[in-house]
Amino acid sequence: GAVVSQHPSRVICKSGTSVKIECRSLDFQATTMFWYRQFPKQSLMLMATSNEGSKATYEQGVEKDKFLINHASLTLSTLTVTSAHPEDSSFYICSAREPWANEKLFFGSGTQLSVL
Amino acid sequence: GENVGLHLPTLSVQEGDNSIINCAYSNSASDYFIWYKQESGKGPQFIIDIRSNMDKRQGQRVTVLLNKTVKHLSLQIAATQPGDSAVYFCAEKTSYDKVIFGPGTSLSVIP
Repeated sequence: GAVVSQHPSRVICKSGTSVKIECRSLDFQATTMFWYRQFPKQSLMLMATSNEGSKATYEQGVEKDKFLINHASLTLSTLTVTSAHPEDSSFYICSAREPWANEKLFFGSGTQLSVL
Repeated sequence: GENVGLHLPTLSVQEGDNSIINCAYSNSASDYFIWYKQESGKGPQFIIDIRSNMDKRQGQRVTVLLNKTVKHLSLQIAATQPGDSAVYFCAEKTSYDKVIFGPGTSLSVIP
């Protein structure tokens, strides 16, 4: 299946700083990528849909100014958590669709963000 | 978001037994369903999928059953092995082309 790479796998930052997470599709071009957040022992919650060359679409309750998404190329989407606070500590996971299948989602390995 | 965080239900099975994990989905307009396996600290791994025009699909050691009448999905794992221990999520692709996850079930295999 398709490979989605996410970096970094783990990041610890101070409160008030910004953190950028990268999501790359390694062997295919992804016009659409998705960002999820997962708290411990809970399910994945869709945060936003990242569209190449246009603005991201955010789910209800997700602050677009807090979680900046940039999908500048067909293989890279970035999520920046701005002015991070301890409540932003979570596991962030990106995903992308196989273009030939158009429905099957493949996921990155996730980024564990800890805000002190 | 559309999901509400819930604590994970758990299922314990003896090694070698069959496992059945159930899921109720919410949107009757969803036309595509997927089962994912997630190990601790990792992203979800695709297991098997099924379209809404089918009611059963089989893979290697896994079978997915879909009952659209009651909006129910199940994952059957044959001859469960210790390596199957993980959290399993069903997911549905909605009419808005988003993939929404269910609450998940933690499977624990007893050697």
